[in-house]
Amino acid sequence: DIVMTQSPDSLAVSLGERATINCKSSQSVLYSSNNKNYLAWYQQKPGQPPKLLIYWASTRESGVPDRFSGSGSGTDFTLTISSLQAEDVAVYYCQQYYSTPGMYTFGQGTKLEIK
Amino acid sequence: QVQLVQSGAEVKKPGASVKVSCKASGYTFTSYGISWVRQAPGQGLEWMGWISAYNGNTNYAQKLQGRVTMTTDTSTSTAYMELRSLRSDDTAVYYCARVRRGNFDLWGRGTLVTVSS
Repeated sequence: DIVMTQSPDSLAVSLGERATINCKSSQSVLYSSNNKNYLAWYQQKPGQPPKLLIYWASTRESGVPDRFSGSGSGTDFTLTISSLQAEDVAVYYCQQYYSTPGMYTFGQGTKLEIK
Repeated sequence: QVQLVQSGAEVKKPGASVKVSCKASGYTFTSYGISWVRQAPGQGLEWMGWISAYNGNTNYAQKLQGRVTMTTDTSTSTAYMELRSLRSDDTAVYYCARVRRGNFDLWGRGTLVTVSS
């Protein structure tokens, strides 16, 4: 099974500053035939279901503010919030969808707070 | 509108079974898969399994193999997740999510399952 490891576990950033969350997979999630990384990012606010932010490692879901961006390839990925807003306080998860169709794993989550 | 509506909260005794439903609307049900994800209190997301709404193919997380069954009813656009031999550590919010090319783009609101004697 592919194991997803996020760092840090928690993060406190000042309003307007940059927030960076990392995700590492135990094996590459880059599919060579289409050059796509099978990696997504989700945001979960308290009492709500997760929300898809980024897929294919760097494609923003429709309606997601452009302060959210994803980067990386192979085994190392990053979610960046360029200018933290109060409404961005949440837990963020990465997820791989490279494995046999229909086998997925999440990272353990990163809790983002305001400093 | 495009949504997934889940069944209500359940309280079960250890050893019992629970079956949670997830009714899809606003899109062609058989064009997507459905995954189930659970979240224990204060914990992270745990992927449980996936079912193709097109042909019923399934994949389950290894730790739940033998205890979980996922099915769909295409006539009502509803997915089901049954978990058997419940234990206290199965207490969690259970989510269904639409699977679009591997990522989960639409989520239900969640169903709280409490296992307690």
